[in-house]
Amino acid sequence: AQSVTQPDIHITVSEGASLELRCNYSYGATPYLFWYVQSPGQGLQLLLKYFSGDTLVQGIKGFEAEFKRSQSSFNLRKPSVHWSDAAEYFCAVGAKGGSYIPTFGRGTSLIVHP
Amino acid sequence: DTAVSQTPKYLVTQMGNDKSIKCEQNLGHDTMYWYKQDSKKFLKIMFSYNNKELIINETVPNRFSPKSPDKAHLNLHINSLELGDSAVYFCASSRSGGSFKNEQFFGPGTRLTVL
Repeated sequence: AQSVTQPDIHITVSEGASLELRCNYSYGATPYLFWYVQSPGQGLQLLLKYFSGDTLVQGIKGFEAEFKRSQSSFNLRKPSVHWSDAAEYFCAVGAKGGSYIPTFGRGTSLIVHP
Repeated sequence: DTAVSQTPKYLVTQMGNDKSIKCEQNLGHDTMYWYKQDSKKFLKIMFSYNNKELIINETVPNRFSPKSPDKAHLNLHINSLELGDSAVYFCASSRSGGSFKNEQFFGPGTRLTVL
């Protein structure tokens, strides 16, 4: 069965600082990988996704993520954080092929200090 | 224009009651989902419908019954509400096939509180 681990429950950064949110997955083959953002009181919005090919994926709002097969990781990065990036971030994994159940991590809450 | 809308946004009710949450999407998608997000923010899929047919039904009590009158709507009816049903319920939709490969668009959520 697939699983996703987001080891950091909370991350605090200063505005303008760089950001990296960690995500590790467990799956027997190459999975589909996703990062979603949830602003307070809102639904989830897709930031970026990886299916195959280039392991560095660009997303919306200046985010990027890198798939590292050897580390089973798909960490999310942003070079300079804005106050509006304060939100909950979810990593998700899906299995390739067939009908399958998407699995979400528990989320990482990003706090941005001015 | 709202892409995926849910009503109500908040729902407070007593144990044992029956309640419904409605979801509508205007994106032309033919796959819709219900997710439950618990107090620890864990998000878990409950149901998925493709072209009004149930394709994913996770281990959910049969007190929960989804109904899809058409491709644009997926409602969730809950009978005999229990304290443990308190959560935020998200509706989502995506393009065809029920594949998670297609981007899912989420509604704003319905916060259900059972007293």
